[in-house]
Amino acid sequence: TQLLEQSPQFLSIQEGENLTVYCNSSSVFSSLQWYRQEPGEGPVLLVTVVTGGEVKKLKRLTFQFGDARKDSSLHITAAQPGDTGLYLCAGAGDSGTYKYIFGTGTRLKVLA
Amino acid sequence: SQTIHQWPATLVQPVGSPLSLECTVEGTSNPNLYWYRQAAGRGLQLLFYSVGIGQISSEVPQNLSASRPQDRQFILSSKKLLLSDSGFYLCAWSVLNEQYFGPGTRLTVT
Repeated sequence: TQLLEQSPQFLSIQEGENLTVYCNSSSVFSSLQWYRQEPGEGPVLLVTVVTGGEVKKLKRLTFQFGDARKDSSLHITAAQPGDTGLYLCAGAGDSGTYKYIFGTGTRLKVLA
Repeated sequence: SQTIHQWPATLVQPVGSPLSLECTVEGTSNPNLYWYRQAAGRGLQLLFYSVGIGQISSEVPQNLSASRPQDRQFILSSKKLLLSDSGFYLCAWSVLNEQYFGPGTRLTVT
């Protein structure tokens, strides 16, 4: 059974601080996605990483896929209150992309 | 552009009553479709997925069922709701390596 563990589960920081969220598994994924979710809404796709070692940047957010395609990280530089939300990683199984395994989630709160 | 619709947005149902949640996708053909359930503030649990009309794969044995009567329509049903069926239900569609979610349905079973 493929599992994705996210850490930390909760994070409360001051505006302007940097943070990193981790997504780890013992399984290999063909691709990995990061989502942000606001309360009462569906998750919104932020990025997809496909190649081992791949790094993608989205403004102040930097996403990295592990060399072995088993883990990923999300780094936010100079966090802002608008970054507040639930961050979810999801991996597509190596045997195909029909099923996505979701991580346990990281709830981020950025205080002004 | 592609759009995904889910309704209703919220639903309060008594224990033992039936359930029908509907999801439709516009702007794409033959999408993979998914139903997830999310506990408060946590990750998503995959309930069902479908790669084509009439093709349903169930991930978790439970009180729910799914059907895909048309290419872009996905329905989640139950004959008799349990208290444990309460939660936030999300429909999604995927293409290649990306999934896109609907706005969700908040179901409260009383």
